[in-house]
Amino acid sequence: DQQVKQNSPSLSVQEGRISILNCDYTNSMFDYFLWYKKYPAEGPTFLISISSIKDKNEDGRFTVFLNKSAKHLSLHIVPSQPGDSAVYFCAAVRNYGGSQGNLIFGKGTKLSVKP
Amino acid sequence: DTGVSQDPRHKITKRGQNVTFRCDPISEHNRLYWYRQTLGQGPEFLTYFQNEAQLEKSRLLSDRFSAERPKGSFSTLEIQRTEQGDSAMYLCASRGGGHYGYTFGSGTRLTVV
Repeated sequence: DQQVKQNSPSLSVQEGRISILNCDYTNSMFDYFLWYKKYPAEGPTFLISISSIKDKNEDGRFTVFLNKSAKHLSLHIVPSQPGDSAVYFCAAVRNYGGSQGNLIFGKGTKLSVKP
Repeated sequence: DTGVSQDPRHKITKRGQNVTFRCDPISEHNRLYWYRQTLGQGPEFLTYFQNEAQLEKSRLLSDRFSAERPKGSFSTLEIQRTEQGDSAMYLCASRGGGHYGYTFGSGTRLTVV
């Protein structure tokens, strides 16, 4: 049973346009969500996160939106750049501030930004 | 602070051999996680340490797998009698107390032939 789902395996956008990556989750106990970017042969790199008590968090070109009622979050990248081409993972965690908090990942979306 | 270090970066082994990976977390981070990532999948949780105590193990962690974190510093992950299905990227992450982010290492790519 996959608790975090990224239903689009790939996404292709033109440089300068907006990239929107989507993520759905099933466990209402998740209280924190993170986006990671991953290049081949490297570990995931933290991008941006959001607490379940918020509905938006922005950091430069990256904005994450959370719709708790729909159990849906999205990552917006504006404007998209060729260097953004990577696999993006959505991750969720229960009891983020507690003693454990292992991440549950989606399968990832491969973003290609074309010049 | 040099981030999370993992060694080796790549390991090719014959089926049935034992392998051991090492993870050096960020020095002040007391929480350490091991994940496994196979092709087309996201990282999957294997086990978690808080300081030297192993507090949780996933069902993915069969009896052939063992992890340690002596003295609450570096951690090792050993796989005994490797199988081809063990071929994957093994990722280590560490995290400080409270609301700090998770920092991943570059991973160890294991290929079992």
